[in-house]
Amino acid sequence: GQQLNQSPQSMFIQEGEDVSMNCTSSSIFNTWLWYKQDPGEGPVLLIALYKAGELTSNGRLTAQFGITRKDSFLNISASIPSDVGIYFCAEGGTSYGKLTFGQGTILTVHP
Amino acid sequence: DGGITQSPKYLFRKEGQNVTLSCEQNLNHDAMYWYRQDPGQGLRLIYYSQIVNDFQKGDIAEGYSVSREKKESFPLTVTSAQKNPTAFYLCASSPGGQSDTQYFGPGTRLTVL
Repeated sequence: GQQLNQSPQSMFIQEGEDVSMNCTSSSIFNTWLWYKQDPGEGPVLLIALYKAGELTSNGRLTAQFGITRKDSFLNISASIPSDVGIYFCAEGGTSYGKLTFGQGTILTVHP
Repeated sequence: DGGITQSPKYLFRKEGQNVTLSCEQNLNHDAMYWYRQDPGQGLRLIYYSQIVNDFQKGDIAEGYSVSREKKESFPLTVTSAQKNPTAFYLCASSPGGQSDTQYFGPGTRLTVL
């Protein structure tokens, strides 16, 4: 079956630092999505990527769809305390709207 | 406001009872999904529906049932056959067709005592 590896599993950083996390897949996909989940809430879509090599920004967030179509990264610049949460990558485009999710990266930001 | 609603936010049930979780969307999306999330875990797909009156099993459908009688509603029943039902349940919807992008509701935390 499909395997999606997300790393790191957790990060502890100081406010103001930049953050980088990535996902790699054993298969080629057409869509990469990045979500953020606050404790006790549903995931919120941050960035959607639909083309290999695509680089997209959303405020302090930047994500890229790898050229090989098997990986993606998410960068957060100048982190702030409200960036705390779990970040999930998800890939799709091959199976009737179904997505495969990574295990998540838990981000903690110290003031 | 357009969006996805799940109710209730917290639900408590006794072991052996069936319980139904509500999911409603007013986004006019064709596809709807149910996921289960356990502490420290990712999202696992329970059931999904791409069109009214049709649905398919996901990766962990055993002990769950769904219906899709209306486009805007996709209720999930957690039956007594589900061996470990305590979890956080998330509903999502997407436009369907060429679009994979899913939008999530706020979730329901089910605790079985």
